[in-house]
Amino acid sequence: NAGVTQTPKFRVLKTGQSMTLLCAQDMNHEYMYWYRQDPGMGLRLIHYSVGEGTTAKGEVPDGYNVSRLKKQNFLLGLESAAPSQTSVYFCASSYTRTGDEQYFGPGTRLTVT
Amino acid sequence: TQLLEQSPQFLSIQEGENLTVYCNSSSVFSSLQWYRQEPGEGPVLLVTVVTGGEVKKLKRLTFQFGDARKDSSLHITAAQPGDTGLYLCAGWDNYGQNFVFGPGTRLSVLP
Repeated sequence: NAGVTQTPKFRVLKTGQSMTLLCAQDMNHEYMYWYRQDPGMGLRLIHYSVGEGTTAKGEVPDGYNVSRLKKQNFLLGLESAAPSQTSVYFCASSYTRTGDEQYFGPGTRLTVT
Repeated sequence: TQLLEQSPQFLSIQEGENLTVYCNSSSVFSSLQWYRQEPGEGPVLLVTVVTGGEVKKLKRLTFQFGDARKDSSLHITAAQPGDTGLYLCAGWDNYGQNFVFGPGTRLSVLP
């Protein structure tokens, strides 16, 4: 059981470039989430998914898009990266929503110059 | 303004001391979770509190949910260096559309 994995672990982008972060889980969880973590601000929810083929906006969705074509994968896209998107990105999954534990991946450190 | 506030922001204590960290909100939460995060890793769930006034114990850690379900506390007895980390409280907002985290309390336990 790998749990939640994220690809890549580190990435440096130039302003205006695009990229996709991949999250995969092998626990058959329905819910998946993308967060960003910035110093002093805890984690903030970008987008989440309640099942295959569905997505919903979180607290800070602007500048990001997501897709959940397969139950086990959740992709986060940056179409035109900006320095304000420099952050550590975490993916998580849970079986259901209310009160259920979220299992987190190890994070992706993204720097936009 | 964040929906969940945590205090203190930083805490540095000696091994063996007791400590309490707080998580507060002006909103009611149906449940709150506490996570611990170590450097370079994702958060790991410690506990979920659901009922107002509920107290849960996890070895030396005691969690309490306020009667009005707007606040929670984490008390650690006889802290150890292994307790060092970032402690985060979190929960779904009133509308159930956003899972919010507090900014965290960064704890350092010195041997």
